[in-house]
Amino acid sequence: EADIYQTPRYLVIGTGKKITLECSQTMGHDKMYWYQQDPGMELHLIHYSYGVNSTEKGDLSSESTVSRIRTEHFPLTLESARPSHTSQYLCASSESDFGNEQFFGPGTRLTVL
Amino acid sequence: RKEVEQDPGPFNVPEGATVAFNCTYSNSASQSFFWYRQDCRKEPKLLMSVYSSGNEDGRFTAQLNRASQYISLLIRDSKLSDSATYLCVVKDSNYQLIWGAGTKLIIKP
Repeated sequence: EADIYQTPRYLVIGTGKKITLECSQTMGHDKMYWYQQDPGMELHLIHYSYGVNSTEKGDLSSESTVSRIRTEHFPLTLESARPSHTSQYLCASSESDFGNEQFFGPGTRLTVL
Repeated sequence: RKEVEQDPGPFNVPEGATVAFNCTYSNSASQSFFWYRQDCRKEPKLLMSVYSSGNEDGRFTAQLNRASQYISLLIRDSKLSDSATYLCVVKDSNYQLIWGAGTKLIIKP
C-alpha cells in the first residue's frame, strides 16, 4: 500500500476563494506530481517537482501554483477558484525518473460553485 | 490526434473469458510503456510495464509492437475483480508520461 496522502478528499467551495490542496508522502521519493483528471478522461500533468525547491509546469496550463519546501510535502494552491477548476486532482510520487512507477494518492474531488 | 489513444469501451465480457485491448501511440521515439489500472473513483495503480520482448504476469500479458506503434493487454480467465479502467501510459522522448483516457472493462458473472 502506497504511503501518499491527500487532503481534503472532497471540497465544495464558492467562486473566488483561495484553496490549498495538501499532498504528502512518507516514502522519501524525490519526484512528485500533480495531475488533473475529469471523469472518463485522461490524466493531465499540471505540475511536477524533481526535489526540494524544484517546481515545473506540466503540459496542461493551470492557474494553480505549487511549492516544495520539504521532500514529503507538495501542496497545490488556487488563488481564486472558478467553476472551470472543478475536477479531480491527483498527487503522485516516484523514486527517480518519469519511467519508474508512480504512486498515487486517493485524490481530491473539487467542486467550485 | 491524441498522442495516446485507447478504445474507451466499455468491454462487457463474461467471467472466465479472454479479453484483449490495444493502445496506439503517435510518437515513434517513445521510450517506455506501461499499463495502469484505475478502479471507479479511485487512484491509478501500476499493473505492469511493457517490455520490447513482451511480458507476462499471471493472467496478464502485455505486448509491444514498435513497427505499428501499439501496445496490447491480454487478460485470460477474467475475474469479476478485473472490472476496472485500464490506462495506457507512454513515456515520450522528453521523459514525460503521456496518459491514455483508458479502456473500461466490465466482467459479468
